[in-house]
Amino acid sequence: QKEVEQNSGPLSVPEGAIASLNCTYSDRGSQSFFWYRQYSGKSPELIMSIYSNGDKEDGRFTAQLNKASQYVSLLIRDSQPSDSATYLCAVNIPPSTFIFGSGTRLSVKP
Amino acid sequence: DGGITQSPKYLFRKEGQNVTLSCEQNLNHDAMYWYRQDPGQGLRLIYYSQIVNDFQKGDIAEGYSVSREKKESFPLTVTSAQKNPTAFYLCASSRTGTFYGYTFGSGTRLTVV
Repeated sequence: QKEVEQNSGPLSVPEGAIASLNCTYSDRGSQSFFWYRQYSGKSPELIMSIYSNGDKEDGRFTAQLNKASQYVSLLIRDSQPSDSATYLCAVNIPPSTFIFGSGTRLSVKP
Repeated sequence: DGGITQSPKYLFRKEGQNVTLSCEQNLNHDAMYWYRQDPGQGLRLIYYSQIVNDFQKGDIAEGYSVSREKKESFPLTVTSAQKNPTAFYLCASSRTGTFYGYTFGSGTRLTVV
């Protein structure tokens, strides 16, 4: 059974702090990894993708990938109350679909 | 503007009734997907299609049916065989291939009454 695991949270951080969200996956053949943000009652929106080991930065967001440890993370710097949402990790399952984690709920306190 | 349109936003189903959820995209994406989301859970794949007139079952296809007669459209029918259909249904599309993420529609919330 292929799995993607995330801590459900809630993860609570003060405004301006760094939020760190983690995800582990079971399929060693996975090649692409995505982070989606989902506000309550809304649909997910894609915020980051990563394919190679290491870090990828986009504004306040940094995705980190370690394929040997089967671990992908998302860092949010200078967290804002508007970042409060559920963050879903998605991992590709070859050849053509993705499996989603159950999400980590982030709460940024003013 | 390109995007995915799901309708209706809210849908109520009576016992024994089939209902159809609409999904239309104008992104020129080849691949389309249907997911179900239950409270506190991740997205579970119902069906997907990578080309017109072809579709594949996902992890929880029982009680559901789809068609893909046009590239732009991928409707989902929730049949009376689906015993617990109350959920948030999400349609997504993407370019074909491993390295493309999804664009999601705004979702349909289905409730059994």
